[in-house]
Amino acid sequence: AQSVTQLDSHVSVSEGTPVLLRCNYSSSYSPSLFWYVQHPNKGLQLLLKYTSAATLVKGINGFEAEFKKSETSFHLTKPSAHMSDAAEYFCVVSFNTNAGKSTFGDGTTLTVKP
Amino acid sequence: GAVVSQHPSRVICKSGTSVKIECRSLDFQATTMFWYRQFPKKSLMLMATSNEGSKATYEQGVEKDKFLINHASLTLSTLTVTSAHPEDSSFYICSALREGKQFFGPGTRLTVL
Repeated sequence: AQSVTQLDSHVSVSEGTPVLLRCNYSSSYSPSLFWYVQHPNKGLQLLLKYTSAATLVKGINGFEAEFKKSETSFHLTKPSAHMSDAAEYFCVVSFNTNAGKSTFGDGTTLTVKP
Repeated sequence: GAVVSQHPSRVICKSGTSVKIECRSLDFQATTMFWYRQFPKKSLMLMATSNEGSKATYEQGVEKDKFLINHASLTLSTLTVTSAHPEDSSFYICSALREGKQFFGPGTRLTVL
């Protein structure tokens, strides 16, 4: 079985400070891992993905994430938060053995203060 | 590339009526699509896997007679919420599978009065 845990339901940062959104997963197989962002009343936008290539993955809008197998983690970071980063973030795990079927974390709400 | 659209983006209906939501892969063919439901401030819950030319596979607890899924072509899957009730009000999101990756539609906001 696959599962994913986002450790923080809410994260609040000041504009210009670093962002850290934490995600841990459990799996019996090598996973593909994704981070998606969702702005209010909008669909999901892919930020970045890990699919067994480089463990440090760079995504859009300055976000990046590092896959750490020993810690079963895939934390999302950004050096400097922008007001437009305020949104809901989802960590997602997927396994090819499930034909692309994915499991979503519960989401982390990121608030950016001016 | 890999664009997925949904129609309508918003729909309001009366209790007891049925509503159809379309999910289209615009620039690729998708034999597999997924339907999710998202409650306010909650994560996405997978409802069913839609397979072109065959019956959908529903997740445990999802009523197949209430949420009818039809995947009649390689670019279109439809979700029909039958005899809708206020508790069916939600944000419904589809995704299409391409080369092992999911591409998500923008979602449909359903409000049942």
